[in-house]
Amino acid sequence: DTEVTQTPKHLVMGMTNKKSLKCEQHMGHRAMYWYKQKAKKPPELMFVYSYEKLSINESVPSRFSPECPNSSLLNLHLHALQPEDSALYLCASSQDGTGTPEFFGSGTRLTVV
Amino acid sequence: EDQVTQSPEALRLQEGESSSLNCSYTVSGLRGLFWYRQDPGKGPEFLFTLYSAGEEKEKERLKATLTKKESFLHITAPKPEDSATYLCAVQAGSNYQLIWGAGTKLIIKP
Repeated sequence: DTEVTQTPKHLVMGMTNKKSLKCEQHMGHRAMYWYKQKAKKPPELMFVYSYEKLSINESVPSRFSPECPNSSLLNLHLHALQPEDSALYLCASSQDGTGTPEFFGSGTRLTVV
Repeated sequence: EDQVTQSPEALRLQEGESSSLNCSYTVSGLRGLFWYRQDPGKGPEFLFTLYSAGEEKEKERLKATLTKKESFLHITAPKPEDSATYLCAVQAGSNYQLIWGAGTKLIIKP
């Protein structure tokens, strides 16, 4: 199984809502990533969990918070988002923590209204 | 400042018409250069890793090459299913984060 599974595929939320994005992989990979991608732009790294240690892109606002319940699961908790946070949110994994994502999920298309 | 530039921004080819995509980089201490393919509404698909100048990798109709300043993704006799955005990314120095190019949108017309 060489899949990274993301749910939901689409999400519409209001600015006062709290929601979570979920990501799962069963390849035994030890690093998982959250990326944000706007239309016609490359992905931007938000967070990395590598060997259960979190690394953060300092430019990511605190309204995004990651959680790694175990080595196969990665969540992204969303709270009080802004319309400019609307984007495709991608999860990825890699066998080790070298920073090179090997497998990406299909993403969650998030719209903040 | 580390930078990755891809050209052209978009490329339209007829089926069977071979061409190349360019990824030029200015970084300190290249550790690896990576090519991905991305279909609309999907996550990127990893294609190749290149580590040193002179290295080449091939997969079906795609061949990636690397020099000290740039990488090329050569597409031989492309088919419509090769249509996608091709992304180049670089890892450099002590920073493990990837530096991404803006991508080349490739359209293959039947």
